Amino acid sequence: DAGVIQSPRHEVTEMGQEVTLRCKPISGHDYLFWYRQTMMRGLELLIYFNNNVPIDDSGMPEDRFSAKMPNASFSTLKIQPSEPRDSAVYFCASSEGGGGEYGYTFGSGTRLTVV
Amino acid sequence: AQKITQTQPGMFVQEKEAVTLDCTYDTSDQSYGLFWYKQPSSGEMIFLIYQGSYDEQNATEGRYSLNFQKARKSANLVISASQLGDSAMYFCAMRLNSGGYQKVTFGIGTKLQVIP
Repeated sequence: DAGVIQSPRHEVTEMGQEVTLRCKPISGHDYLFWYRQTMMRGLELLIYFNNNVPIDDSGMPEDRFSAKMPNASFSTLKIQPSEPRDSAVYFCASSEGGGGEYGYTFGSGTRLTVV
Repeated sequence: AQKITQTQPGMFVQEKEAVTLDCTYDTSDQSYGLFWYKQPSSGEMIFLIYQGSYDEQNATEGRYSLNFQKARKSANLVISASQLGDSAMYFCAMRLNSGGYQKVTFGIGTKLQVIP
């Protein structure tokens, strides 16, 4: 298995532009998580899905952020409009049955820079 | 509310020595899981070890062991025989197991540097 695949690896965009981050979870995993990592706030859970259904989006910072999971093999995190304070590393992770004793498998992350 | 505390921003260890990374947690739930992840400078998050709150034995995975002291609410990671490749950020995390809810809370991490 190729693991959790995120794209792009790096994204530089201008303030006000729309940004779309993509994630392909491991086949068979029924949970998908989006995390954001910054120096100031560490790793924060933004939203997670179970069987493609959003379960908890309380970590989404504001209405500029939205996430979708149209099918079991694809999810997007969209920021519109982007702001410099959105600069961070965004991780997607997936797990089978919530992870249990095997934890989550993380993707390599997308480093977003908003200038 | 759940909270994870890692009080060591940075640690140094001599190669081949053992090192303990501290983690304390706070929850009123009885059922939870504790995790440790490694993040090398390349940025990926690597799952290392898991301890369930009802597990009586401390978890071990190769050179990694988790020193679980439930009454003290601590879940320290012990790395034996440190290697240069162990230099990385280490994150402690907790997941509450109630009601199928899957939110995992991470600590702020400890940066470990292994010295040759």
